Amino acid sequence: QQQVKQSPQSLIVQKGGIPIINCAYENTAFDYFPWYQQFPGKGPALLIAIRPDVSEKKEGRFTISFNKSAKQFSLHIMDSQPGDSATYFCAASMTGGSYIPTFGRGTSLIVHP
Amino acid sequence: NAGVTQTPKFQVLKTGQSMTLQCAQDMNHNSMYWYRQDPGMGLRLIYYSASEGTTDKGEVPNGYNVSRLNKREFSLRLESAAPSQTSVYFCASSPQQGSRTEAFFGQGTRLTVV
Repeated sequence: QQQVKQSPQSLIVQKGGIPIINCAYENTAFDYFPWYQQFPGKGPALLIAIRPDVSEKKEGRFTISFNKSAKQFSLHIMDSQPGDSATYFCAASMTGGSYIPTFGRGTSLIVHP
Repeated sequence: NAGVTQTPKFQVLKTGQSMTLQCAQDMNHNSMYWYRQDPGMGLRLIYYSASEGTTDKGEVPNGYNVSRLNKREFSLRLESAAPSQTSVYFCASSPQQGSRTEAFFGQGTRLTVV
């Protein structure tokens, strides 16, 4: 059973567009929701994260929107650039006890110049 | 700042051969993890170690064993490699202290089993 469902699997936008990646989770005990960015040949790296006590978090051009009642969260990339082309993973975890991130299946984003 | 270091970066094995993937972190993190990444499947947890001296199975442990040698090192062993184990393997670590729960990943090991 997939605990974190991510969509779409791939996304192509033009430079300046606003790609949106969505995730939904099952376990209401999750209390930490990070997004990771992965470039080809590299390991994933933390991009931005949110906790369920806020509905939105912005860091530069990246925004997470969080809907606790719907158990959904999404990543928005404002004014997207070709350098944003990468694979993006959402994740969810419980910070109490053993911290084990559960990842979505990833979204391959291509931003055309 | 080395962070999480994995060796080797690339490996080709024949079916039935064994090998050990090495991972070391220099951030004094408590928790360490092994994931495999396959196209369309995301990152799937193989084994994890919440602290030195403990290991537990993840989502896809069959065909693998692990050793938490000390706080720094966490190795993954394939006893008898199979083509289904062709994948990219990532080691990660996490401080698991209070609100600091970010996972730090190594560069990956690309393994091909023929």
